[in-house]
Amino acid sequence: AQTVTQSQPEMSVQEAETVTLSCTYDTSESDYYLFWYKQPPSRQMILVIRQEAYKQQNATENRFSVNFQKAAKSFSLKISDSQLGDAAMYFCAYRSNPSGTASKLTFGTGTRLQVTL
Amino acid sequence: NAGVTQTPKFQVLKTGQSMTLQCAQDMNHEYMSWYRQDPGMGLRLIHYSVGAGITDQGEVPNGYNVSRSTTEDFPLRLLSAAPSQTSVYFCASSYSRHPNQPQHFGDGTRLSIL
Repeated sequence: AQTVTQSQPEMSVQEAETVTLSCTYDTSESDYYLFWYKQPPSRQMILVIRQEAYKQQNATENRFSVNFQKAAKSFSLKISDSQLGDAAMYFCAYRSNPSGTASKLTFGTGTRLQVTL
Repeated sequence: NAGVTQTPKFQVLKTGQSMTLQCAQDMNHEYMSWYRQDPGMGLRLIHYSVGAGITDQGEVPNGYNVSRSTTEDFPLRLLSAAPSQTSVYFCASSYSRHPNQPQHFGDGTRLSIL
């Protein structure tokens, strides 16, 4: 079974600075997808960024980018120019790509990000 | 466009009571799923559905039932509530079962079992 590990329960960053959240995963599959979700205090889960395992190029979405290291099974999220609105719980998630069947999202335990002035 | 709507937002039950958590989506999504979120454990999949009339178990299905009679609705039933089912429940949907499709989440239901 796949597992996703987020080893940083809490992180803090000053406004306008850059922060990196770590995520590692364990899988024997070669074809899969990785995601970062943001959960603000409002509780809603919001997709931040996704990465296809077959793509070598790291995904970017505005101030959010990932460092995807397939061999090391590492998928970190970098937030540049941090803003107060970035304060939230961030979850790393894995989803396999089996042929002919649906697959489930496996979540890590989350990293709570605080943004300070 | 309402997206994924969950009702109720909060509920308190006594042990042994039954209830249904409602989930509806208006995006004509094929894939729907239920997760529970417990402190320090992330989200775990309870049940999922790849289309009307088709459901399957996820990681933690015990104590929960689901059905999918229409594309829009995917209710989650607790047959006999237990304190271990105290959690926040999220419903999610995506256009298809393909893993590259982003999942849209509802706002969650906070359920307390006394």
